[in-house]
Amino acid sequence: QVQLQESGPGLVKPSETLSLTCTVSGGSISSYYWSWIRQPPGKGLEWIAYMYYSGSTNYNPSLKSRVTISVDTPKNQFSLKLSSVTAADTAVYYCARRPVPLRAFDIWGQGTMVTVSS
Amino acid sequence: QSALTQPASVSGSPGQSITISCTGTSSDVGGYNYVSWYQQHPGKAPKLMIYDVSNRPSGVTHRFSGSKSGNTASLAVSGLQAEDEADYYCSSYTSSSAVVFGGGTRLTVL
Repeated sequence: QVQLQESGPGLVKPSETLSLTCTVSGGSISSYYWSWIRQPPGKGLEWIAYMYYSGSTNYNPSLKSRVTISVDTPKNQFSLKLSSVTAADTAVYYCARRPVPLRAFDIWGQGTMVTVSS
Repeated sequence: QSALTQPASVSGSPGQSITISCTGTSSDVGGYNYVSWYQQHPGKAPKLMIYDVSNRPSGVTHRFSGSKSGNTASLAVSGLQAEDEADYYCSSYTSSSAVVFGGGTRLTVL
């Protein structure tokens, strides 16, 4: 079955750029939307962005100026870059799949904790 | 976009039924039949329980059901079991093609 796995540094310094990759295994990245969602410690879920495998994107307005997402179809991966991070960006970051006919995330990665600290 | 409003906590005894509400606006919950619900156990990734207001993915027990009236969606859980104890989040598609989540509800099985 399809599985998602996030990877990237667990510690990022303030003002630097957070970079994460999600690898899709057991299925193709094509014909789906792919999303990033985060959860600060002890808090709720916050949607960051999603993109269609072919390139169209949509961002959370509150994060739009700092976020870039991209897809690498040959590698079956998609990525997140969040610039100018602060302690408020400390969270578990999840990647998730959204099938085209749905407006819901049916498969999630296990999540990766990213701490912003000097 | 503002987060959808959910109660912080609900509780019930085994075998009982509970309902969790999720209130938004006409620009999200009330404007589209694209409300979804997620279950999250501690330290785990969220799991999709309901999509498009009232549809259950394959493998989700029929004890979970969803509905919507106006700007408020609801998740009902019948025949409460200990394994249902978790955090539950609602989510909605919005008029700007974005996604908004609720603040989450902690379900306690007494």
